Amino acid sequence: NAGVTQTPKFQVLKTGQSMTLQCAQDMNHNSMYWYRQDPGMGLRLIYYSASEGTTDKGEVPNGYNVSRLNKREFSLRLESAAPSQTSVYFCASSSYQAGNQPQHFGDGTRLSIL
Amino acid sequence: RKEVEQDPGPFNVPEGATVAFNCTYSNSASQSFFWYRQDCRKEPKLLMSVYSSGNEDGRFTAQLNRASQYISLLIRDSKLSDSATYLCVVNAMRFGAGTRLTVKP
Repeated sequence: NAGVTQTPKFQVLKTGQSMTLQCAQDMNHNSMYWYRQDPGMGLRLIYYSASEGTTDKGEVPNGYNVSRLNKREFSLRLESAAPSQTSVYFCASSSYQAGNQPQHFGDGTRLSIL
Repeated sequence: RKEVEQDPGPFNVPEGATVAFNCTYSNSASQSFFWYRQDCRKEPKLLMSVYSSGNEDGRFTAQLNRASQYISLLIRDSKLSDSATYLCVVNAMRFGAGTRLTVKP
C-alpha cells in the first residue's frame, strides 16, 4: 500500500540551483496538491491540480512551477532555489478537489537551501 | 485576519483528561471541514471529517458551529498516544497552523 510517494526525502541545494520534487499516487485519485510547511505557519498550498491536464495556483506559488505528468504523477520544480524556500514539502491527493474529500499525504521532502 | 486560525497551544494535560480545541474560519461560504493529526516530523493524517450535525468517532467528537464560524474537536479520556499536533482544515485546502497537545502520565 504505497499511497502517495515523494522523492527525494531529503535534499540540500545551493542558492540558484534548480530541482524537481517528484510525487506519485496509486489510489487513482483525480486531484493532487503541493504544500510547504514552515514552523508555526501550518501547511500552505503552493499549487494544485484538480484533474489531469489542469493546474492552478495556491496561496504561495511564486518561485515554483508544477507539471501534472499524468493521472498518477505531479511534480514541483524550483527553477532558482532561494533560502526562503527552505521548508518541508508535502504532496497530497484526493478523489476530487471539490466537495468533502479528504487528502492523503506523502511523507514529505525536507529541503534546505544554503 | 487569517483564513483559518487555531490556538497554537501547547496544551499539556494528564492522562484521562478531556481536552477541547477550537478552530475559527473566516469564509462563511466554507463547505467542508476536517481534523488532521500530525506527529512530529511526519505527514498529516486524517483524523475525522466534521459534519454539520456533529459526529463522533470513539473518544473523539467533532462539531461545527456555522453561526460563529468555528469547528471544535473534543478528546475524552486522553491517552499518551494522543500527543500530537492537531490541524483543522477548511474547504479541503486551507490549513490552520495546528494546536499542539501533550498528554502526560
